[in-house]
Amino acid sequence: DTEVTQTPKHLVMGMTNKKSLKCEQHMGHRAMYWYKQKAKKPPELMFVYSYEKLSINESVPSRFSPECPNSSLLNLHLHALQPEDSALYLCASSHPASGGEREQFFGPGTRLTVL
Amino acid sequence: QKEVEQNSGPLSVPEGAIASLNCTYSDRGSQSFFWYRQYSGKSPELIMFIYSNGDKEDGRFTAQLNKASQYVSLLIRDSQPSDSATYLCAVSYNQGGKLIFGQGTELSVKP
Repeated sequence: DTEVTQTPKHLVMGMTNKKSLKCEQHMGHRAMYWYKQKAKKPPELMFVYSYEKLSINESVPSRFSPECPNSSLLNLHLHALQPEDSALYLCASSHPASGGEREQFFGPGTRLTVL
Repeated sequence: QKEVEQNSGPLSVPEGAIASLNCTYSDRGSQSFFWYRQYSGKSPELIMFIYSNGDKEDGRFTAQLNKASQYVSLLIRDSQPSDSATYLCAVSYNQGGKLIFGQGTELSVKP
């Protein structure tokens, strides 16, 4: 099973709202990732969790707050977003193998629109 | 700064032809190389990965890696209209799983 699931599929929120994106995988992967993708651009890494610990934060604004409650779940909490944060938010997971051999599998994404 | 370069395209090939997608990377410390296919409005789908110099074949897809020349390519044989998508090259430097993506090449296969 190479499936990563994400909810919701679509989200529309105002700039004062608080919302959360959820990601789940049952592949036994111990590394999970959040990416942001704008139209016609490649995915941009936001955060990496390895063994449930935050290992990489790509200088993401604090209005994005990640959380990894357990090895299967990854959340992204959103607060006071700006319209330019509208994008496709992708979750991915992989085995944290050594030597860089970490095939990352992406979920279907959440299409976020900030009004 | 680590960079991954791809021709943005669009690359147009007739149905049944071989599509050749190329990618170059700047850092010789690169260790792992991935090709993702992304249909419009969908998420990236991993279609090939390669870690060693040479060719790797999987069905109609062949990935080729040349570390001395710092390029990786993807060949799609017997191209089908359903192969029309954006193909993303990604490189890993073993920095905690971080992938560096190229800008993607848009492939159009004409019936």
